[in-house]
Amino acid sequence: KQEVTQIPAALSVPEGENLVLNCSFTDSAIYNLQWFRQDPGKGLTSLLLIQSSQREQTSGRLNASLDKSSGRSTLYIAASQPGDSATYLCAARGSNYQLIWGAGTKLIIKP
Amino acid sequence: NAGVTQTPKFRILKIGQSMTLQCTQDMNHNYMYWYRQDPGMGLKLIYYSVGAGITDKGEVPNGYNVSRSTTEDFPLRLELAAPSQTSVYFCASSYDSQTGAFFGQGTRLTVV
Repeated sequence: KQEVTQIPAALSVPEGENLVLNCSFTDSAIYNLQWFRQDPGKGLTSLLLIQSSQREQTSGRLNASLDKSSGRSTLYIAASQPGDSATYLCAARGSNYQLIWGAGTKLIIKP
Repeated sequence: NAGVTQTPKFRILKIGQSMTLQCTQDMNHNYMYWYRQDPGMGLKLIYYSVGAGITDKGEVPNGYNVSRSTTEDFPLRLELAAPSQTSVYFCASSYDSQTGAFFGQGTRLTVV
């Protein structure tokens, strides 16, 4: 059974720092992995989608990597801003086409 | 471009009442999903559908029912609401199993 873990559960850093959020999964047989952002009381916004055949995807200051062999994905945020404060969730799509979710990392960027 | 639209945004139910959460998407997506999110937890899949007329159970289907009569709509029915169903419910859609999922804004449900 696929399990997805995100560590740490919460992270607070000063504005301007580069940071890495981690996502690990137990079953390497995934179709893709997706990173989402969730603001308080709001829905989920898709940030990046990495297909199983890809190693990384980039969008602006965000870069997501995928290493299936080690069961890990990372989300790199460059030059963090207070507006980046949110909860970041990763989800792995497995062989049964379902998305299995991590519990998220709550990120606070201090001005 | 509306994307995925959920109604209502908030609802308070009494124990034993029933209700339907509505979900509509205008992207002609084949796949649709219902998730629940409890505080501090990842999302749990309740039901999903790979096309009109086809539905299947997810991880936590007990106490819920769904139907998919059209490509656009995927309502979630709660029968005999229980306090354990207090949660935030998200509807999502994707074109297929390989593409990314798009989410609605969520429905915050409280059962008292």
